[in-house]
Amino acid sequence: GAGVSQSPRYKVAKRGQDVALRCDPISGHVSLFWYQQALGQGPEFLTYFQNEAQLDKSGLPSDRFFAERPEGSVSTLKIQRTQQEDSAVYLCASSLDRGLQQPQHFGDGTRLSIL
Amino acid sequence: SQQGEEDPQALSIQEGENATMNCSYKTSINNLQWYRQNSGRGLVHLILIRSNEREKHSGRLRVTLDTSKKSSSLLITASRAADTASYFCATIRSASKIIFGSGTRLSIRP
Repeated sequence: GAGVSQSPRYKVAKRGQDVALRCDPISGHVSLFWYQQALGQGPEFLTYFQNEAQLDKSGLPSDRFFAERPEGSVSTLKIQRTQQEDSAVYLCASSLDRGLQQPQHFGDGTRLSIL
Repeated sequence: SQQGEEDPQALSIQEGENATMNCSYKTSINNLQWYRQNSGRGLVHLILIRSNEREKHSGRLRVTLDTSKKSSSLLITASRAADTASYFCATIRSASKIIFGSGTRLSIRP
């Protein structure tokens, strides 16, 4: 596709359930980022992949959060045993280069609501 | 906490006027990027300015960077209704050290 695609666009889950969020980056983009965006705030960095390698996961809030990009293209962010504070928009972005000297291209995000 | 902080938090102007938003940061950077976000959508890249550049233009956008003051500004000239959005600065220190500010919500009155 032409841009970054995220699915689902909306996800409602009960507290304690596991969820999986998918990101299809732009073909050929080396770098992939996940962000969490609370209402009225800027995106907060969660994790970064260079191809299939997860080079930085320092922003993941807890060990309930897990991300993977096994073949260096599609990525999945998984949240286990969801809690109400996990409610947010999760954004994925991809970039052509390794060093963020090029712009990031964002998907429209997954809005996660935990009841 | 966020490194980049935008000022003002909200701005409402008349269509046709210019809009200026500011961003301050705390540590040294490789480059600084400005993004726009329409409600319910992802961020769209507007302009990237490198640490050795002082000013860049793109259409109706003008960005300045003052590394001595650790600040940047985004000027939108001749504003239009379609410019209504939130605007974020992002400071980049390395491949994964990117920090977004909390944004300026811009409203253009017809």
